[in-house]
Amino acid sequence: GAGVSQSPSNKVTEKGKDVELRCDPISGHTALYWYRQSLGQGLEFLIYFQGNSAPDKSGLPSDRFSAERTGGSVSTLTIQRTQQEDSAVYLCASSKQGISTDTQYFGPGTRLTVL
Amino acid sequence: SQKIEQNSEALNIQEGKTATLTCNYTNYSPAYLQWYRQDPGRGPVFLLLIRENEKEKRKERLKVTFDTTLKQSLFHITASQPADSATYLCALPASNDYKLSFGAGTTVTVRA
Repeated sequence: GAGVSQSPSNKVTEKGKDVELRCDPISGHTALYWYRQSLGQGLEFLIYFQGNSAPDKSGLPSDRFSAERTGGSVSTLTIQRTQQEDSAVYLCASSKQGISTDTQYFGPGTRLTVL
Repeated sequence: SQKIEQNSEALNIQEGKTATLTCNYTNYSPAYLQWYRQDPGRGPVFLLLIRENEKEKRKERLKVTFDTTLKQSLFHITASQPADSATYLCALPASNDYKLSFGAGTTVTVRA
């Protein structure tokens, strides 16, 4: 595909359930970012993957959040025991080299609603 | 960490007028700054990058300025059109080499 894709586009879950969000970056992009966007807020950095390097997990809000990137491509963000405050849009972005002058290409996001 | 402030109020303007958005930052001066556009239900899309040694950058009807003394960037949409209605985000590099910090954005509505 030409762009970054994310699935599902919408996810409604009950408090306490686990959810998995998927991101397919642009082919050949070595860097992948996850962000969270709450209503009226800026993008909150969650995690960064670059090639085979150890990910930067410094933005993950709690140990209920984890992410993997398999084969340097697809990434999955997992939220365990979801809470209502986890409701937000989760955005994934990829870039060619993973330096901050790179353009970040964003997916459409997954809107997560925790009831 | 960098604190970024954008116009807190939404901007409503008449078609054909110029919209001016501000992005102020409070800590260290970055070497560059980026602007993104975000439409409802979509991810942000890159528009422009301006470096600290560039006073002004243009792309079609968009103009960005970067004043490191004032710690401010201005984003102008000239001859605005209803299709320009969106939220505009500024982004600055964080303390390391790969992260960007994003402002909350300014929502622009252009009335026909």
